[in-house]
Amino acid sequence: DTEVTQTPKHLVMGMTNKKSLKCEQHMGHRAMYWYKQKAKKPPELMFVYSYEKLSINESVPSRFSPECPNSSLLNLHLHALQPEDSALYLCASSQDEGAYAEAFFGQGTRLTVV
Amino acid sequence: AQKITQTQPGMFVQEKEAVTLDCTYDTSDPSYGLFWYKQPSSGEMIFLIYQGSYDQQNATEGRYSLNFQKARKSANLVISASQLGDSAMYFCAMREPTTSGTYKYIFGTGTRLKVLA
Repeated sequence: DTEVTQTPKHLVMGMTNKKSLKCEQHMGHRAMYWYKQKAKKPPELMFVYSYEKLSINESVPSRFSPECPNSSLLNLHLHALQPEDSALYLCASSQDEGAYAEAFFGQGTRLTVV
Repeated sequence: AQKITQTQPGMFVQEKEAVTLDCTYDTSDPSYGLFWYKQPSSGEMIFLIYQGSYDQQNATEGRYSLNFQKARKSANLVISASQLGDSAMYFCAMREPTTSGTYKYIFGTGTRLKVLA
């Protein structure tokens, strides 16, 4: 099973809403990632969790709050977003050790902030 | 500084022909991994193939092969016998160690491939 599952696939939210994006993998990977991708651009790293601990925060605004409840789950809590936060949000997982491990991505959540 | 460079914003190829997508990289680490991903319009990132820096042979995976030239720091993707379903955005990526002890993936700007019938 090389599947990373993201829910929901689409999300429309107002600037005052609170919502959460969810990501799940059952490959035993100990590294999980959130990427943000704007149209026609490459994915940009937001957060990395390693062994359920936040390892990297790429200076992401605090309106994005990641959470890793266990080794299989990764959440991204959203609050008071801006229209410019509209993007495709991709979750990924990989082995944590070694330079050669490939990342497996979910299908993404297309977020629209209105 | 850009560490992964893809100089072809868009490419066209005739169905059943082969096509090469270019990727150059920059790193001072002796141990690194290079990856290619396909992203159809649906948005999912599909892992295609990878090359390790110490691998002696070029990686192959079905119709995909990687032309790895370490001295030139290039890792070009070759797709043989193109199919209409190959039309997508293709990203070259590198797995890079970080100061926190973990790894992250950095991506090139991508090449949009269109296969013509």
